[in-house]
Amino acid sequence: QQQVKQSPQSLIVQKGGISIINCAYENTAFDYFPWYQQFPGKGPALLIAIRPDVSEKKEGRFTISFNKSAKQFSLHIMDSQPGDSATYFCAAKWDSGYSTLTFGKGTMLLVSP
Amino acid sequence: DTEVTQTPKHLVMGMTNKKSLKCEQHMGHRAMYWYKQKAKKPPELMFVYSYEKLSINESVPSRFSPECPNSSLLNLHLHALQPEDSALYLCASSPKGLAGFQATDTQYFGPGTRLTVL
Repeated sequence: QQQVKQSPQSLIVQKGGISIINCAYENTAFDYFPWYQQFPGKGPALLIAIRPDVSEKKEGRFTISFNKSAKQFSLHIMDSQPGDSATYFCAAKWDSGYSTLTFGKGTMLLVSP
Repeated sequence: DTEVTQTPKHLVMGMTNKKSLKCEQHMGHRAMYWYKQKAKKPPELMFVYSYEKLSINESVPSRFSPECPNSSLLNLHLHALQPEDSALYLCASSPKGLAGFQATDTQYFGPGTRLTVL
C-alpha cells in the first residue's frame, strides 16, 4: 500500500515533443506529490509538486495532472529539449511527523535532437 | 535558498578504512535524511533525524553510523564497509520536524557523495 508505481521505465521523445510520465498510488494518506529530476552523478532536484486538492499545476514547460479519484498523477513536459534528458522520479509524501517519501522506480527520459 | 551541501564529492576507501561523509544545510530545516542510491534505482532511505534526534534507522548495518551534531550538520561515519556498499550517498533536509508540520513539507537533496569501496 506504500508503493508508487511509475511508468514507463524509459522514454525517448523527439525535441519539441511532449514527454508524459505516469504514476499511480494506493495509500490515501499521501498528502503531497513531488517530482524529482536527476542528472547522472547528481542528487535529485525538486522539479514540481502538487497537493491532492488541486487537479493541475503548471510551472513553465512542466505540468502535473492529478486525478484523486483514480489515484493517479502524471508529469507532462511540453516542448521537450535535449537538456531535459534525465531520470525522473515521482514521489508521494505522507505525514509521519516529518516528510517521508515513497519513490517510484524512475523514468529515464532521452530527448533526441 | 534551498541548498544542501555534501562533502566530499567522491570518496574511495578500502574495506578497513574509517571515513566520514558530511552534509550541511542553512535553511533552518529541522529534519535531515541519509539515503543510499544505486545506479538506475530510486533513493533508499537509511536514517532520519528530526530535531537532532534519530527518528528512523531503516535496519542499516552498524558499519554505517549517523551523527547529527547540530541542526545544520549531519554526518555519516563509515567503517569496515563492503564493496556492495559502493553507491551514491545522498543527504536531504525538509523544513519541519515534529511540530508545525505542513502539507507542503518535502525534501531537498544535496548533490551526493559517490562512494567506491575497494
